[in-house]
Amino acid sequence: EAEVAQSPRYKITEKSQAVAFWCDPISGHATLYWYRQILGQGPELLVQFQDESVVDDSQLPKDRFSAERLKGVDSTLKIQPAELGDSAMYLCASSPAAAGAQETQYFGPGTRLLVL
Amino acid sequence: SQQGEEDPQALSIQEGENATMNCSYKTSINNLQWYRQNSGRGLVHLILIRSNEREKHSGRLRVTLDTSKKSSSLLITASRAADTASYFCATGGTSYGKLTFGQGTILTVHP
Repeated sequence: EAEVAQSPRYKITEKSQAVAFWCDPISGHATLYWYRQILGQGPELLVQFQDESVVDDSQLPKDRFSAERLKGVDSTLKIQPAELGDSAMYLCASSPAAAGAQETQYFGPGTRLLVL
Repeated sequence: SQQGEEDPQALSIQEGENATMNCSYKTSINNLQWYRQNSGRGLVHLILIRSNEREKHSGRLRVTLDTSKKSSSLLITASRAADTASYFCATGGTSYGKLTFGQGTILTVHP
Protein backbone atom coordinates (compact mmCIF):
# COMPACT_ATOMS: atom_id res chain seq x y z
CA GLU A 1 0.00 0.00 0.00
CA ALA A 2 1.36 3.41 -1.01
CA GLU A 3 2.32 5.73 1.82
CA VAL A 4 3.39 9.31 2.35
CA ALA A 5 7.08 9.43 3.21
CA GLN A 6 8.66 12.02 5.49
CA SER A 7 12.20 12.61 6.67
CA PRO A 8 13.76 12.99 9.06
CA ARG A 9 11.52 11.37 11.65
CA TYR A 10 13.17 13.29 14.48
CA LYS A 11 15.16 16.51 14.51
CA ILE A 12 16.84 18.29 17.40
CA THR A 13 18.24 21.72 16.72
CA GLU A 14 19.27 24.83 18.56
CA LYS A 15 17.31 28.03 18.27
CA SER A 16 18.38 30.34 15.45
CA GLN A 17 19.47 27.36 13.34
CA ALA A 18 17.85 26.40 10.04
CA VAL A 19 15.92 23.16 9.66
CA ALA A 20 14.31 21.48 6.68
CA PHE A 21 11.74 18.72 6.38
CA TRP A 22 11.03 16.62 3.32
CA CYS A 23 7.83 14.97 2.15
CA ASP A 24 7.13 12.58 -0.71
CA PRO A 25 3.38 12.20 -1.26
CA ILE A 26 1.59 9.19 -2.63
CA SER A 27 2.28 8.93 -6.36
CA GLY A 28 -0.29 10.78 -8.43
CA HIS A 29 -1.66 12.86 -5.57
CA ALA A 30 -2.09 16.40 -6.79
CA THR A 31 -2.68 18.07 -3.45
CA LEU A 32 -0.10 18.24 -0.67
CA TYR A 33 -0.52 19.70 2.81
CA TRP A 34 1.89 20.62 5.60
CA TYR A 35 0.45 20.71 9.12
CA ARG A 36 1.96 21.61 12.48
CA GLN A 37 0.74 19.74 15.55
CA ILE A 38 1.61 21.03 18.98
CA LEU A 39 1.55 18.39 21.71
CA GLY A 40 -1.97 17.87 22.99
CA GLN A 41 -3.63 19.69 20.11
CA GLY A 42 -4.98 18.87 16.68
CA PRO A 43 -3.03 19.55 13.48
CA GLU A 44 -3.15 23.07 12.05
CA LEU A 45 -2.65 23.69 8.35
CA LEU A 46 0.47 25.62 7.43
CA VAL A 47 0.41 25.41 3.64
CA GLN A 48 -1.47 23.64 0.86
CA PHE A 49 -0.19 22.93 -2.65
CA GLN A 50 -2.12 22.04 -5.77
CA ASP A 51 0.58 20.54 -7.99
CA GLU A 52 3.42 23.08 -7.72
CA SER A 53 1.24 26.05 -6.79
CA VAL A 54 0.46 27.31 -3.30
CA VAL A 55 -3.31 27.57 -2.84
CA ASP A 56 -3.37 28.40 0.90
CA ASP A 57 -0.52 29.67 3.05
CA SER A 58 -2.55 32.00 5.22
CA GLN A 59 -1.33 30.33 8.45
CA LEU A 60 2.33 30.03 7.42
CA PRO A 61 4.62 32.39 9.42
CA LYS A 62 6.29 33.70 6.31
CA ASP A 63 9.00 35.62 8.15
CA ARG A 64 10.67 32.34 9.08
CA PHE A 65 8.87 29.50 7.26
CA SER A 66 9.04 28.66 3.58
CA ALA A 67 7.70 25.77 1.55
CA GLU A 68 8.17 24.62 -2.00
CA ARG A 69 7.01 21.89 -4.31
CA LEU A 70 9.03 22.69 -7.38
CA LYS A 71 8.05 19.85 -9.71
CA GLY A 72 4.68 19.21 -8.19
CA VAL A 73 5.82 16.00 -6.56
CA ASP A 74 7.88 16.08 -3.35
CA SER A 75 8.01 19.07 -1.06
CA THR A 76 10.31 20.77 1.42
CA LEU A 77 9.33 22.85 4.44
CA LYS A 78 12.04 25.08 5.90
CA ILE A 79 12.31 27.06 9.11
CA GLN A 80 14.98 29.74 9.42
CA PRO A 81 15.70 30.68 12.12
CA ALA A 82 14.08 28.13 14.40
CA GLU A 83 12.56 29.37 17.65
CA LEU A 84 11.72 27.49 20.84
CA GLY A 85 8.01 27.73 20.04
CA ASP A 86 8.52 25.80 16.81
CA SER A 87 8.92 22.56 18.74
CA ALA A 88 6.11 20.38 17.41
CA MET A 89 5.24 17.52 15.09
CA TYR A 90 5.24 18.50 11.42
CA LEU A 91 2.89 16.37 9.37
CA CYS A 92 2.64 16.05 5.62
CA ALA A 93 -0.50 14.79 3.94
CA SER A 94 -1.59 14.26 0.37
CA SER A 95 -4.86 13.81 -1.43
CA PRO A 96 -5.77 12.70 -4.93
CA ALA A 97 -8.46 15.34 -5.08
CA ALA A 98 -8.02 18.67 -6.79
CA ALA A 99 -8.04 21.74 -4.58
CA GLY A 100 -11.61 22.54 -3.63
CA ALA A 101 -12.69 18.91 -3.55
CA GLN A 102 -13.34 17.40 -0.18
CA GLU A 103 -11.80 14.01 0.15
CA THR A 104 -9.65 11.88 2.41
CA GLN A 105 -6.17 13.06 3.27
CA TYR A 106 -3.37 10.54 3.70
CA PHE A 107 -0.82 11.41 6.34
CA GLY A 108 2.84 10.61 6.67
CA PRO A 109 4.45 9.56 9.98
CA GLY A 110 5.54 13.12 10.75
CA THR A 111 8.77 14.81 11.79
CA ARG A 112 9.08 15.61 15.47
CA LEU A 113 11.10 18.79 15.95
CA LEU A 114 12.68 19.83 19.23
CA VAL A 115 14.26 23.27 19.41
CA LEU A 116 16.68 23.80 22.31
CA SER B 1 -7.43 28.36 14.72
CA GLN B 2 -9.35 25.18 15.51
CA GLN B 3 -13.01 24.94 14.68
CA GLY B 4 -14.01 21.71 16.33
CA GLU B 5 -14.30 20.95 19.98
CA GLU B 6 -14.22 17.35 21.04
CA ASP B 7 -15.84 15.96 24.12
CA PRO B 8 -14.68 14.32 26.28
CA GLN B 9 -11.01 15.29 26.19
CA ALA B 10 -10.15 11.86 27.57
CA LEU B 11 -12.08 8.60 27.83
CA SER B 12 -11.03 5.43 29.64
CA ILE B 13 -13.01 2.21 29.16
CA GLN B 14 -12.67 -1.56 29.38
CA GLU B 15 -12.31 -3.84 26.39
CA GLY B 16 -15.67 -4.81 24.98
CA GLU B 17 -17.38 -1.58 26.00
CA ASN B 18 -18.56 1.03 23.53
CA ALA B 19 -16.83 4.39 23.21
CA THR B 20 -18.62 7.54 22.14
CA MET B 21 -16.85 10.76 21.21
CA ASN B 22 -18.54 14.01 20.27
CA CYS B 23 -17.49 16.89 18.08
CA SER B 24 -19.02 20.33 17.79
CA TYR B 25 -18.15 22.93 15.19
CA LYS B 26 -19.00 26.54 14.47
CA THR B 27 -19.33 27.25 10.76
CA SER B 28 -21.08 25.60 7.82
CA ILE B 29 -19.33 22.54 6.49
CA ASN B 30 -19.09 20.50 3.32
CA ASN B 31 -18.12 17.32 5.13
CA LEU B 32 -16.81 16.06 8.46
CA GLN B 33 -14.08 13.47 8.82
CA TRP B 34 -12.75 11.42 11.73
CA TYR B 35 -9.09 10.47 12.05
CA ARG B 36 -7.17 8.30 14.51
CA GLN B 37 -3.64 8.99 15.71
CA ASN B 38 -1.56 6.48 17.60
CA SER B 39 0.99 8.00 19.96
CA GLY B 40 3.72 9.85 18.08
CA ARG B 41 2.49 8.77 14.67
CA GLY B 42 0.66 10.25 11.70
CA LEU B 43 -3.11 10.38 11.36
CA VAL B 44 -5.17 7.62 9.79
CA HIS B 45 -8.48 8.41 8.10
CA LEU B 46 -11.44 6.55 9.56
CA ILE B 47 -14.59 7.87 7.94
CA LEU B 48 -15.99 10.80 5.98
CA ILE B 49 -19.59 11.97 6.24
CA ARG B 50 -20.96 14.62 3.91
CA SER B 51 -23.20 17.45 5.00
CA ASN B 52 -26.26 15.86 3.37
CA GLU B 53 -25.76 12.57 5.23
CA ARG B 54 -26.98 11.84 8.74
CA GLU B 55 -25.34 8.53 9.59
CA LYS B 56 -22.56 6.36 8.26
CA HIS B 57 -21.11 3.00 9.26
CA SER B 58 -17.74 1.38 8.71
CA GLY B 59 -17.07 -1.88 10.49
CA ARG B 60 -17.28 -1.18 14.24
CA LEU B 61 -17.54 2.58 13.64
CA ARG B 62 -20.75 4.57 13.47
CA VAL B 63 -20.73 8.29 12.77
CA THR B 64 -23.68 10.63 13.01
CA LEU B 65 -23.94 14.20 11.82
CA ASP B 66 -26.48 16.80 12.91
CA THR B 67 -25.93 19.94 10.88
CA SER B 68 -28.72 21.80 12.69
CA LYS B 69 -26.81 21.38 15.96
CA LYS B 70 -23.41 21.58 14.28
CA SER B 71 -22.32 18.37 15.94
CA SER B 72 -21.14 14.87 15.17
CA SER B 73 -20.49 11.74 17.16
CA LEU B 74 -18.21 8.76 16.66
CA LEU B 75 -19.21 5.47 18.21
CA ILE B 76 -16.76 2.58 18.43
CA THR B 77 -18.54 -0.62 19.37
CA ALA B 78 -16.96 -3.56 21.20
CA SER B 79 -13.72 -1.66 21.73
CA ARG B 80 -10.34 -3.38 21.76
CA ALA B 81 -7.03 -2.47 23.39
CA ALA B 82 -5.74 -1.70 19.87
CA ASP B 83 -8.31 1.12 19.62
CA THR B 84 -6.27 3.09 22.19
CA ALA B 85 -5.37 6.30 20.38
CA SER B 86 -6.33 9.95 19.95
CA TYR B 87 -9.36 10.60 17.79
CA PHE B 88 -9.83 13.86 15.89
CA CYS B 89 -12.75 15.28 14.01
CA ALA B 90 -11.96 17.52 11.06
CA THR B 91 -14.36 19.75 9.20
CA GLY B 92 -14.10 20.51 5.52
CA GLY B 93 -15.44 23.82 4.33
CA THR B 94 -15.48 25.28 0.88
CA SER B 95 -11.95 26.65 0.86
CA TYR B 96 -9.63 24.58 -1.33
CA GLY B 97 -10.33 21.31 0.48
CA LYS B 98 -8.89 22.64 3.71
CA LEU B 99 -9.60 20.61 6.86
CA THR B 100 -9.85 22.20 10.29
CA PHE B 101 -9.13 19.78 13.14
CA GLY B 102 -10.46 19.69 16.66
CA GLN B 103 -8.26 19.14 19.69
CA GLY B 104 -9.01 15.45 19.92
CA THR B 105 -10.24 12.85 22.38
CA ILE B 106 -7.70 10.54 23.99
CA LEU B 107 -9.22 7.06 24.20
CA THR B 108 -7.68 4.42 26.45
CA VAL B 109 -9.07 0.89 26.26
CA HIS B 110 -7.93 -1.37 29.10
CA PRO B 111 -7.54 -5.09 28.37
